[in-house]
Amino acid sequence: KQEVTQIPAALSVPEGENLVLNCSFTDSAIYNLQWFRQDPGKGLTSLLLIQSSQREQTSGRLNASLDKSSGRSTLYIAASQPGDSATYLCAVRSGAGSYQLTFGKGTKLSVIP
Amino acid sequence: DGGITQSPKYLFRKEGQNVTLSCEQNLNHDAMYWYRQDPGQGLRLIYYSQIVNDFQKGDIAEGYSVSREKKESFPLTVTSAQKNPTAFYLCASSASGTYNSPLHFGNGTRLTVT
Repeated sequence: KQEVTQIPAALSVPEGENLVLNCSFTDSAIYNLQWFRQDPGKGLTSLLLIQSSQREQTSGRLNASLDKSSGRSTLYIAASQPGDSATYLCAVRSGAGSYQLTFGKGTKLSVIP
Repeated sequence: DGGITQSPKYLFRKEGQNVTLSCEQNLNHDAMYWYRQDPGQGLRLIYYSQIVNDFQKGDIAEGYSVSREKKESFPLTVTSAQKNPTAFYLCASSASGTYNSPLHFGNGTRLTVT
């Protein structure tokens, strides 16, 4: 059974710093990996989707990488801003029942002005 | 603007009552999903539907029911058989049920049962 882990559970950084969020998964036979952002009391906003054949995806200040063989993905945020404060979740689509995603518990990011 | 609308945002019910959560999408997506989110846990799949008039159980379907009579609508009923219904419920959709379509989420319904 696929398991997704995000460490740390919480992270606090000063504004302007570059930072990396980590996501690891136990079964490397994935179809894709998706990063989401969740603001308090709100739904999830899709940030980036990386297909299994891709190594990375970029959108603005965000860059997500994927290393399937080691079961890891990172989300790099450049020049962090207070508006980036949110919980970031990763989810992998894998195995039988490919309509299902397995989610990590998220990393709560606080960017201090 | 295209998107997913969940209503109501907050819902309060007495124990023993059934309650229905609404989910409507105007993205013309084929697949729709219901997830449950509890503090300190990842999202867990309740039900999903790849096409109208068809749906499958997810990991935690017990105590829940769904229908998919229209492409744009996927209501979730939380029945009195659900042992611990208080949670944040999220509806999602994707362009198709295949593995390469990203999921898009609504803003959720917070259900409190007392």
